Amino acid sequence: EAGVAQSPRYKIIEKRQSVAFWCNPISGHATLYWYQQILGQGPKLLIQFQNNGVVDDSQLPKDRFSAERLKGVDSTLKIQPAKLEDSAMYLCASSLVRIPTYEQYFGPGTRLTVT
Amino acid sequence: AQTVTQSQPEMSVQEAETVTLSCTYDTSESDYYLFWYKQPPSRQMILVIRQEAYKQQNATENRFSVNFQKAAKSFSLKISDSQLGDAAMYFCAYRKGNSGAGSYQLTFGKGTKLSVIP
Repeated sequence: EAGVAQSPRYKIIEKRQSVAFWCNPISGHATLYWYQQILGQGPKLLIQFQNNGVVDDSQLPKDRFSAERLKGVDSTLKIQPAKLEDSAMYLCASSLVRIPTYEQYFGPGTRLTVT
Repeated sequence: AQTVTQSQPEMSVQEAETVTLSCTYDTSESDYYLFWYKQPPSRQMILVIRQEAYKQQNATENRFSVNFQKAAKSFSLKISDSQLGDAAMYFCAYRKGNSGAGSYQLTFGKGTKLSVIP
């Protein structure tokens, strides 16, 4: 079974530029999560999708971050404009359904550096 | 709000020895899940072990076991017969239980970096 795919793996941009990350979850997984992991900290949820609907985006900085999940499969996370404090690892995870007994499977992440 | 605390930023263990990683959490919920995740360098995070709060028996997965003390809100991970491949960041995480609406997001601690000495 193919795992969660993410691209790019690394990205370096200057502040005020825009960037987009892509995630392809495991086939059949209805729930998709985006986490932000700042160096030295644990991941923090940014947004959760159930199919193509948003379940929780309470911690997403909506003035600069946006995310979509077209057709309930792939997802894109965008930052516009980027700030220095956005430097972090961005992790995508997926699970079969929303019921929490199902394990979340993580992708390899995208490491973003904002200079 | 739920919080997860890992008080050991770094730990080391000799190969084949046993090590225990600590985790405490705070919640007002009675139904929840606790997890230990492993994040090797430059590789994806994987689930090591899961504990349901309603279960009194401590979870075990091969060389990995937990000591779940619900009253003390403590959830430690014991790794027996440590191997070089166990070297990684280990994160303790909390998630609410099945009842009620809302997000089932994972709340993570800051992690413990485990080094295994040959």
